[in-house]
Amino acid sequence: DVKVTQSSRYLVKRTGEKVFLECVQDMDHENMFWYRQDPGLGLRLIYFSYDVKMKEKGDIPEGYSVSREKKERFSLILESASTNQTSMYLCASSPYLGQGGEQYFGPGTRLTVT
Amino acid sequence: LAKTTQPISMDSYEGQEVNITCSHNNIATNDYITWYQQFPSQGPRFIIQGYKTKVTNEVASLFIPADRKSSTLSLPRVSLSDTAVYYCLVEPGGYNKLIFGAGTRLAVHP
Repeated sequence: DVKVTQSSRYLVKRTGEKVFLECVQDMDHENMFWYRQDPGLGLRLIYFSYDVKMKEKGDIPEGYSVSREKKERFSLILESASTNQTSMYLCASSPYLGQGGEQYFGPGTRLTVT
Repeated sequence: LAKTTQPISMDSYEGQEVNITCSHNNIATNDYITWYQQFPSQGPRFIIQGYKTKVTNEVASLFIPADRKSSTLSLPRVSLSDTAVYYCLVEPGGYNKLIFGAGTRLAVHP
């Protein structure tokens, strides 16, 4: 089975801190994604990556950056955390885009910024 | 970019068939339609995907009319464990933005 793991299930950070959310997949997938999920808004795409060192902005990239130095690992970075970034963050991976590929999601990280 | 619209919530009873419709008026030629299921405190899980007409797997069926402006997820004989949020996703054929609908919260009652 495909496994997508995220470094933390729960995280509490202070305003202004730099925050790293890590995601690792074990199926050699080309594509990885970061979403945030907020009540009533569903899932919104922050960034995705279709290859090592390649990235594309999603719908809400402001305030975030990403890093993909290795194929299996995709990191989401909050340079200076703010309270409006309190949310559930979900990582996903997929073998291909554009051909109807299934996305495999991790369990999520619930981030609280105080 | 195609956006999706689906009902906010639905109620059903065990053993009934449930149909959830998603509207995607601006769907493009290369777009796929995908449905995901999400339980509390878990990431979404793939249910079914289609391009046109009808697709069926062991969990659900997906009906897509010829104009592809909508799609219907059909869950046969639901049980309490089908209580979840269901997301309709229009997936572009290229390296474009992926769009989830707001989700339909399905409650199955005894």
